[in-house]
Amino acid sequence: QQQVKQSPQSLIVQKGGISIINCAYENTAFDYFPWYQQFPGKGPALLIAIRPDVSEKKEGRFTISFNKSAKQFSLHIMDSQPGDSATYFCAASGNNDMRFGAGTRLTVKP
Amino acid sequence: NAGVTQTPKFQVLKTGQSMTLQCAQDMNHNSMYWYRQDPGMGLRLIYYSASEGTTDKGEVPNGYNVSRLNKREFSLRLESAAPSQTSVYFCASRSQGVGTEAFFGQGTRLTVV
Repeated sequence: QQQVKQSPQSLIVQKGGISIINCAYENTAFDYFPWYQQFPGKGPALLIAIRPDVSEKKEGRFTISFNKSAKQFSLHIMDSQPGDSATYFCAASGNNDMRFGAGTRLTVKP
Repeated sequence: NAGVTQTPKFQVLKTGQSMTLQCAQDMNHNSMYWYRQDPGMGLRLIYYSASEGTTDKGEVPNGYNVSRLNKREFSLRLESAAPSQTSVYFCASRSQGVGTEAFFGQGTRLTVV
């Protein structure tokens, strides 16, 4: 079974709105939690990442919230823009292993 | 700086044929990975290699073999292709250690008919 569960599968947001994507993981050996962004026809690229000793990390309009006790983390995109329309993957890694969630297709409507 | 290079970009195989997907990175990374991407399933780990000479199974290794030829190259082989292996395959690499970024290739779109 997938070790990283991601929801929702798809998300439609109006320009300027907040996009929220949630993930949960099983393996407590994971020690690094990145988010990747993928545009059609391209490979995923790192967007933002967090370590479990921090509860929140913000980079521009993108914020990761991390709850170690619940084994959950989420990506918040503030002031969403049409250019943010892409597929987003959460991931968890540890001991050279790296697992991904099922992905969220985000559409930001102008 | 090419990063992670995958070949070929597209391939059509007949059921039962074999082929090897090639991946090379020029960033001196120790760890390399093969994933398959299917709609609604995300990126599923097939195999990974923590260093030259070592490989480990991921979530979906059945029907695949891998070779870590040297530090730069990590190949994925389908011995007898099946329609269920129709997918987009991504290779990735990263340095060892906690908190290192993974870099992905552009993907190989494989269709098995």
